[in-house]
Amino acid sequence: QQPVQSPQAVILREGEDAVINCSSSKALYSVHWYRQKHGEAPVFLMILLKGGEQKGHEKISASFNEKKQQSSLYLTASQLSYSGTYFCGTEITGSARQLTFGSGTQLTVLP
Amino acid sequence: DAGVTQSPTHLIKTRGQHVTLRCSPISGHKSVSWYQQVLGQGPQFIFQYYEKEERGRGNFPDRFSARQFPNYSSELNVNALLLGDSALYLCASSAGPLGETQYFGPGTRLLVL
Repeated sequence: QQPVQSPQAVILREGEDAVINCSSSKALYSVHWYRQKHGEAPVFLMILLKGGEQKGHEKISASFNEKKQQSSLYLTASQLSYSGTYFCGTEITGSARQLTFGSGTQLTVLP
Repeated sequence: DAGVTQSPTHLIKTRGQHVTLRCSPISGHKSVSWYQQVLGQGPQFIFQYYEKEERGRGNFPDRFSARQFPNYSSELNVNALLLGDSALYLCASSAGPLGETQYFGPGTRLLVL
C-alpha cells in the first residue's frame, strides 16, 4: 500500500525546475506533500483532496490525477532552501484513517 | 500560536525496558497521530486518535500502545523494547481525522542499546 515516489533523487542548479511524482495502487482520498531537512521534522507543503480541492503554499504547486491515483509536485525556479527529502503521504478511500508515506525523493539544489 | 510539542527530545533505553513518549497538539486540534521514522525511510503510521478514541492502527506489534487525554494530548507507550525500535517518533496534530493537514512535532529520538 506504500505509494511509489520517483525519482529517488535529483540534483538541480538554483533556478531550475523539478517534478516529483507519487503513485498509488489504491483509490486515494487525499495526497499530502512534506519536505524534511536532515535532523528535522517533516514540514507540510500541500494537500490535495479528492474532488480537486487544494491547500498549500503559494510558491509550490501540485496536481492530483484521481483516475490514475497519481500526484505530482512541481518546484519551479528552485532555491537553495528547497533542498531536502520530499515525501508524499496518501489517505486511502474507505480504509483506516492513516497517512501512508512513500520512501521519499532527495532533492539537492546547488548554487 | 504554539506548534506541536513532544517530550522528551532524546531518549536512551536498553532492551526490554519500557518507554513513554508525550505529545501536545496544536491548540484546537482534536486529532493526534503517531509515526515511527527509521533513518532513510518515510514515516510509518502507528496510531491515530481523534476525540480520545483510537481511529486507526498501523502494522505494529501489541508492544505499542497509545492513548489520548481529555485535553487532547497523547502518550505513546512501547513495552519490551527491541534494538529495532530505535527511531525518530513523530507526533502529528490535525483538526480532524481525515483529509486534514497534519502538522508534525519535532519528534523524540529513541535509541535502544
